[in-house]
Amino acid sequence: KAGVTQTPRYLIKTRGQQVTLSCSPISGHRSVSWYQQTPGQGLQFLFEYFSETQRNKGNFPGRFSGRQFSNSRSEMNVSTLELGDSALYLCASSLQGWDGYTFGSGTRLTVV
Amino acid sequence: AQSVTQLDSQVPVFEEAPVELRCNYSSSVSVYLFWYVQYPNQGLQLLLKYLSGSTLVESINGFEAEFNKSQTSFHLRKPSVHISDTAEYFCALIPQGAGSYQLTFGKGTKLSVIP
Repeated sequence: KAGVTQTPRYLIKTRGQQVTLSCSPISGHRSVSWYQQTPGQGLQFLFEYFSETQRNKGNFPGRFSGRQFSNSRSEMNVSTLELGDSALYLCASSLQGWDGYTFGSGTRLTVV
Repeated sequence: AQSVTQLDSQVPVFEEAPVELRCNYSSSVSVYLFWYVQYPNQGLQLLLKYLSGSTLVESINGFEAEFNKSQTSFHLRKPSVHISDTAEYFCALIPQGAGSYQLTFGKGTKLSVIP
């Protein structure tokens, strides 16, 4: 079966712009989570959604937002981009959440 | 709050030698434990997981990990490594009963297999 699909794979944006990243989970998975990966901070949790409801949010500023649609697809948005937002953004999906997540290949965001 | 500590940031090992990547965790509640592997320019791949039952869990490519509740550890082992095992390995946990299932990751261990 198809894995977790993230689009786009690479993105270059200018400071102050906004960006939307997309994630299509594995068919049947209702839990979707987002993580930010940077060399300095490692893997940090952004959000978790289950059946269109945000169950948890990490310690990120309000510029980071997300949502989940009725088909479980998810998007995350970052407004007023800063240089420090440059990172690999990873989406992951799971049947239940506690049984482990399958990750996508990520979106590499570079802010210049 | 929970935390995961991976004691070694880098581990070099010769091909066909055994390897152990260490992982300790801290949590006030019971946890589910995971090992993920990341190859360059790729996402994370689930290597193995401990949810319940037998404390020794195995992956299809020869890795195994043992859950030790008294020592709060979940070390990853392989008896004989290959060049293709060169990657970064992450230990992670999810607290049980929290109602929300966020992974808390360690900082990662870079395994370099030397020919």
